[in-house]
Amino acid sequence: ELKVEQNPLFLSMQEGKNYTIYCNYSTTSDRLYWYRQDPGKSLESLFVLLSNGAVKQEGRLMASLDTKARLSTLHITAAVHDLSATYFCAVLMDSNYQLIWGAGTKLIIKP
Amino acid sequence: ETGVTQTPRHLVMGMTNKKSLKCEQHLGHNAMYWYKQSAKKPLELMFVYNFKEQTENNSVPSRFSPECPNSSHLFLHLHTLQPEDSALYLCASSQEVGANTEAFFGQGTRLTVV
Repeated sequence: ELKVEQNPLFLSMQEGKNYTIYCNYSTTSDRLYWYRQDPGKSLESLFVLLSNGAVKQEGRLMASLDTKARLSTLHITAAVHDLSATYFCAVLMDSNYQLIWGAGTKLIIKP
Repeated sequence: ETGVTQTPRHLVMGMTNKKSLKCEQHLGHNAMYWYKQSAKKPLELMFVYNFKEQTENNSVPSRFSPECPNSSHLFLHLHTLQPEDSALYLCASSQEVGANTEAFFGQGTRLTVV
């Protein structure tokens, strides 16, 4: 059974700081997704990581995937208040193409 | 405005009521999904439809009944729910079920069972 663990589950940080959210998963998968959810809003797709060593960047967010270590990271550079949200990773099961989700990381960035 | 629209946005219902949630996608996708999002828990996949056919039912109680009349519309019929069914119900769509499974989500229906 594929399990996805995110950590930390809660993160409060100051603007201007850097931090990393980690997503570990338990079985082989070559496809991982990062989503963002604002309170009361839908989930918004941020990154799709398709292969080992994949790195994608959008603004102050950078995501990477290491399929051998079964680890993805979401790195935040010089955080700004607008990045406050809950961030989810999801891993695609090869057997039935279902997405298995992490519990989410609630990120609060203080001005 | 997303390509996936859910109605209603909020719903309060008694345990003996019958109600339905509606989802419509304007993205030309062939797969649609119902998820349950409860506080402090990962998203739980409930049902999957691919080309209008149900392909997954993840041990969901029969008090939840999905319906997919066409690839653009998905319903979740609710009856005799329990308070623990209170949650955010999210609809999503993707091009199809498979490797290209980037899902696009609606804004959800916040359901409260009293």
